[in-house]
Amino acid sequence: DIQMTQSPSSLSASVGDRVTITCRASQGISNYLAWFQQKPGKAPKSLIYTASSLQSGVPSKFSGSGSGTDFTLTISSLQPEDFATYYCQQYYSYPYTFGQGTKLEIK
Amino acid sequence: QVQLVQSGAEVKKPGASVKVSCKASGYTFTSYHIHWVRQAPGQGLEWMGIINPSSGSTTNAQKFQGRVTVTMDTSASTVYMELSNLRSEDTAVYYCATRVAWGQGTLVTVSS
Repeated sequence: DIQMTQSPSSLSASVGDRVTITCRASQGISNYLAWFQQKPGKAPKSLIYTASSLQSGVPSKFSGSGSGTDFTLTISSLQPEDFATYYCQQYYSYPYTFGQGTKLEIK
Repeated sequence: QVQLVQSGAEVKKPGASVKVSCKASGYTFTSYHIHWVRQAPGQGLEWMGIINPSSGSTTNAQKFQGRVTVTMDTSASTVYMELSNLRSEDTAVYYCATRVAWGQGTLVTVSS
């Protein structure tokens, strides 16, 4: 199975900050990577697919990059509604594994 | 808009089976593969399997082989996930999802 490792596991930031979350795959996955946002008690929400393509309706403050084994999710100008847990997922090969999550908290 | 609506919460005893439904609307049912993902209390996301509504073909994670069955009713635009031989570790919220949308989740509690 492909292991997905996110860093950091948790992150404190302030409103207005720009933050970057990293996701590393244990083997190359081309650009078959998605990012999700999850708020407490809610279902995850799809943000990005194919590493850098924004889902319809997702604000452009979210951006993704990377290919192969190393990927990043960047969120610019943090707002209170952005504080949540973020997950990456590879869909290059079965089973489609998730990272362990990055909890973004308000400083 | 793409919407997935799941069945309600379930409480089951160890050894029993549970069947969760996921009704799709707002798009052509065969346009998106549907995944099943679960999340144990306080834990991360775990991918369980996928169904291609165009062909009915399924792939499940090895961890669940022999215990999970994903089926569909094309006429009802509904996908079903059945998990058998339940144990306490299967207590989780179960989600169906497409590339663009997720269901609201179904809490399955396994307790004697």
